[in-house]
Amino acid sequence: GENVEQHPSTLSVQEGDSAVIKCTYSDSASNYFPWYKQELGKRPQLIIDIRSNVGEKKDQRIAVTLNKTAKHFSLHITETQPEDSAVYFCAASKRNSGGYQKVTFGIGTKLQVIP
Amino acid sequence: EAGVAQSPRYKIIEKRQSVAFWCNPISGHATLYWYQQILGQGPKLLIQFQNNGVVDDSQLPKDRFSAERLKGVDSTLKIQPAKLEDSAVYLCASSLESYRTGELFFGEGSRLTVL
Repeated sequence: GENVEQHPSTLSVQEGDSAVIKCTYSDSASNYFPWYKQELGKRPQLIIDIRSNVGEKKDQRIAVTLNKTAKHFSLHITETQPEDSAVYFCAASKRNSGGYQKVTFGIGTKLQVIP
Repeated sequence: EAGVAQSPRYKIIEKRQSVAFWCNPISGHATLYWYQQILGQGPKLLIQFQNNGVVDDSQLPKDRFSAERLKGVDSTLKIQPAKLEDSAVYLCASSLESYRTGELFFGEGSRLTVL
């Protein structure tokens, strides 16, 4: 089955600096790569996603890049703010043999933005 | 629109006791997922329903866990008997359809502590 590795597990940055989180996946059939943000005690929420026919996607201070050949994708947050502090999960998704979506998550990265 | 509803939010039981969690997905969402999130780890899929049929329960410990989705709407996840290692947050999620990859909408989760 799919295996998603994510690193680092924890990341501390100064406010205003950039943060980068990296993930690798094993199954070349995966074609959708979402990123979820989970604030303490709250539900995971989608912040950005990318499909395998696109190499990069940007939304204000957040960007995601995908390298299909190397099977890795990354989340970039620029000009970090204290409210960016949370756990970030990457995921890889594909349609399995039955035609249904299967989503596999990474272990998460705890980002701390220091004011 | 209303989000995914889960209850109870917190539950403390002793080992070998039983517990049940309830989930009401977003109206119209055909696919429902139950994930187990152990502290410090990413969500792990336990079971996935398409309408009221199971499409993936490969990681569900069937000797103690069971789940049902009657009438293709609400779902219940049961653990009986509970073990210490079942302490986790149980996240319910839904998506509009399973036949394409896309966003999962999560509930707030049910935190289980087994003593």
